[in-house]
Amino acid sequence: GNSVTQMEGPVTLSEEAFLTINCTYTATGYPSLFWYVQYPGEGLQLLLKATKADDKGSNKGFEATYRKETTSFHLEKGSVQVSDSAVYFCALSGGANNLFFGTGTRLTVIP
Amino acid sequence: NAGVTQTPKFQVLKTGQSMTLQCAQDMNHEYMSWYRQDPGMGLRLIHYSVGAGITDQGEVPNGYNVSRSTTEDFPLRLLSAAPSQTSVYFCASSYGQGRNYEQYFGPGTRLTVT
Repeated sequence: GNSVTQMEGPVTLSEEAFLTINCTYTATGYPSLFWYVQYPGEGLQLLLKATKADDKGSNKGFEATYRKETTSFHLEKGSVQVSDSAVYFCALSGGANNLFFGTGTRLTVIP
Repeated sequence: NAGVTQTPKFQVLKTGQSMTLQCAQDMNHEYMSWYRQDPGMGLRLIHYSVGAGITDQGEVPNGYNVSRSTTEDFPLRLLSAAPSQTSVYFCASSYGQGRNYEQYFGPGTRLTVT
């Protein structure tokens, strides 16, 4: 079946620190992989995606590479800002447009 | 465009009461879905619809009903609320069906059942 395992939080970083949030997956077939972000009091927004192996998704300074050999899709950012404080969800789409989510990682960036 | 809207934002129910969570989108999306978000469990799919008149069950459908009479609206009904249904509910929509289509989420409804 399909599942996503995500790094547990919460994560607290100082501004300009390097961020990594780990995500691994189990899937049948060839899923698409996503990172969604949820800012306080809001719904989820797509941050980035990758649809096939070795694809790199990027947006707002965040990056993630679809690694089929390690079944991973780790989220990275070189220099975080206070405005990046949010909950980050890794997800996969196994077909029929249904998403399978990880448990979410809360990131807090302090000045 | 307002995107995906949900009402109410907060709701408290007593066990056994019924209610309907409203969801609407103005993007002419064919695909709509409902998720619940629980601590430590991420989001789980309740029901989804691939177009007006067509609905199907997701991972956790028990205790919930849906219907899709128009493209724009996809209400979620709780017939007899239980404390286990305390959660945050998100509605989502997308243009098409398939793994490459981005889903757009509403702001959520926080439901407490006492």
